[in-house]
This record gives sequence, structure tokens and C-alpha cells, in this order.
Amino acid sequence: GQQVMQIPQYQHVQEGEDFTTYCNSSTTLSNIQWYKQRPGGHPVFLIQLVKSGEVKKQKRLTFQFGEAKKNSSLHITATQTTDVGTYFCAGAPGYSTLTFGKGTMLLVSP
Amino acid sequence: EAGVAQSPRYKIIEKRQSVAFWCNPISGHATLYWYQQILGQGPKLLIQFQNNGVVDDSQLPKDRFSAERLKGVDSTLKIQPAKLEDSAVYLCASRPIKGEKLFFGSGTQLSVL
Repeated sequence: GQQVMQIPQYQHVQEGEDFTTYCNSSTTLSNIQWYKQRPGGHPVFLIQLVKSGEVKKQKRLTFQFGEAKKNSSLHITATQTTDVGTYFCAGAPGYSTLTFGKGTMLLVSP
Repeated sequence: EAGVAQSPRYKIIEKRQSVAFWCNPISGHATLYWYQQILGQGPKLLIQFQNNGVVDDSQLPKDRFSAERLKGVDSTLKIQPAKLEDSAVYLCASRPIKGEKLFFGSGTQLSVL
């Protein structure tokens, strides 16, 4: 079945440092979504990427979708303590169900 | 707008007991999902409904798990009998028919002792 892998599993940074998490799929995806889950909370939608090579920005967050539509990345510039949480990518080939990665847990020390 | 409502928030049971979770999606959302999230992992789909029909239940352990969405609105997920490995957060999510974004509820945290 389809697998979505994320690395790293965990990252601890100092406030102000940058952070990147990577997502790789075993199959070509029709789209990829990113979610953020705060400690004790539920996943909250951040963004969806659809086009090959697409890049989208949300303030300090930059999302990329690979040319082959099999990988994606989320980059946070100058992390803040409010960025703490687990970031999940989720993708689906065609119109099948979304598969979530295991997530990258981000800790930010002030 | 009101979000996805789930209850109970927490549940503690002993193995071999039964448990049921309830979900009320956002009004007008035709698609409803039940996910299982084990600590430290991503959400794993258990079942997807479109209105009151099942779209995907390939990962639902049907010997012990069941789910229904009789009137195409709210839904219940049942585990009978529960095992220790069922300890997890059970998340309900919904999506409008023409949207891609999932809206998650706060989840039910289940502990099986």
C-alpha cells in the first residue's frame, strides 16, 4: 500500500533557528496537505499543494511540492516558541484516501 | 461556524469491555472520517463515509470495530471487545463535498487497562 514517510522524527531548535521537515511518498500524489498538531490538540490544516514544483508561503512557513509529486517539504524561518508542535504531511494518489506520515515533532527553546 | 464535536473526551475501560464514541461533523459536510492516532504516530484511517455510505473501511478491524452513520449526519464508532493495543486517540474529521481540507474534532482519548 501507499506509504508516506517523514524525516526527521524529532527536532529541537533554539528560537530564531530555521527548521525543515521532509515528506516522501512511495507513489505519485495528486496533492499533498500539511497539518499542525499542538501538544494535546488535534491536527489543524495548514495548506494544500497540487501542482508539480509548487511553492507556497505563509508568513515564515514555506511549502514545496516536488517536481515528480512524490516529495514535499515544510521550512520554517526563524522559529518561534509558538511553532512548537508536530507537523504532518498527508497525501493521496488520485482520489483515494489521504495517508498521513508519522510526523515531525518540533521543540523550540526560548 | 461550529466545529466537529466529539464525545466523550476521555474514556478508561478494561480489556474485553465495550466502548462507543460519538461524532457530529460540521453542518453540511458530506464526508466523515474516523482516524486512530497512537501516541507518537500519525492519524491512521479507520473508516470513511460519504453521506451514510462507506467509501473506505479497508483498515477497520472488523472483528471488533464497527461504525455507522445512519442518517448521513452524526456517527458512532464502537469497539467490542477492546484490547490493550486499542489505547489511542480516536479522531473524527469531516470535509465538505467540494473541499479537500479536513476539519478534525478534539478526539476521544481511550485508555484500555
